[in-house]
Amino acid sequence: EPEVTQTPSHQVTQMGQEVILRCVPISNHLYFYWYRQILGQKVEFLVSFYNNEISEKSEIFDDQFSVERPDGSNFTLKIRSTKLEDSAMYFCASSYEERISPLHFGNGTRLTVT
Amino acid sequence: RKEVEQDPGPFNVPEGATVAFNCTYSNSASQSFFWYRQDCRKEPKLLMSVYSSGNEDGRFTAQLNRASQYISLLIRDSKLSDSATYLCVVAASGNTPLVFGKGTRLSVIA
Repeated sequence: EPEVTQTPSHQVTQMGQEVILRCVPISNHLYFYWYRQILGQKVEFLVSFYNNEISEKSEIFDDQFSVERPDGSNFTLKIRSTKLEDSAMYFCASSYEERISPLHFGNGTRLTVT
Repeated sequence: RKEVEQDPGPFNVPEGATVAFNCTYSNSASQSFFWYRQDCRKEPKLLMSVYSSGNEDGRFTAQLNRASQYISLLIRDSKLSDSATYLCVVAASGNTPLVFGKGTRLSVIA
């Protein structure tokens, strides 16, 4: 069964550093997402991406965040200057249709900001 | 009122028991409903979609009550492997993304 893959599985970085989280969505999916989950909290929406542009973003997704689909297969999330409170599990997801079809999640990147 | 609200549990049940989880949602325009399962420190995985007429998949039954804005999940004959957190997920129409509940934790005990 096709799956969403994410790298790295764990990223440790110092406060103020830039990080790039990488994802390869399922190949025939059209909608791509980033969610995050702080330890013990609920899964929170960050951003959705369709047709090479952001379609929606949450309040969490401020100017420090950006997304890109550089080559037609990868989908990246960049955090420009990490803060301690960015420490969380970041999940990439993809779907064939928006909101109607379920999301397929990658196995996540655990980001630890020290 | 929270967008998607679930009883956090934990629900501790013996093997073979039947257990039910409830979820309420605040947006009456919500159109799509799902139950996901999340194991500790893992990604959410789709358990089942929830249809208006209710639907069953093996030991799992999902029900939707639009009038009360309420979704339920029933698990029959619980197995040890059912131990996980069950996430209620709701999508409204328009440009709102999927919203996740905080989850209900289930522990099935031998």
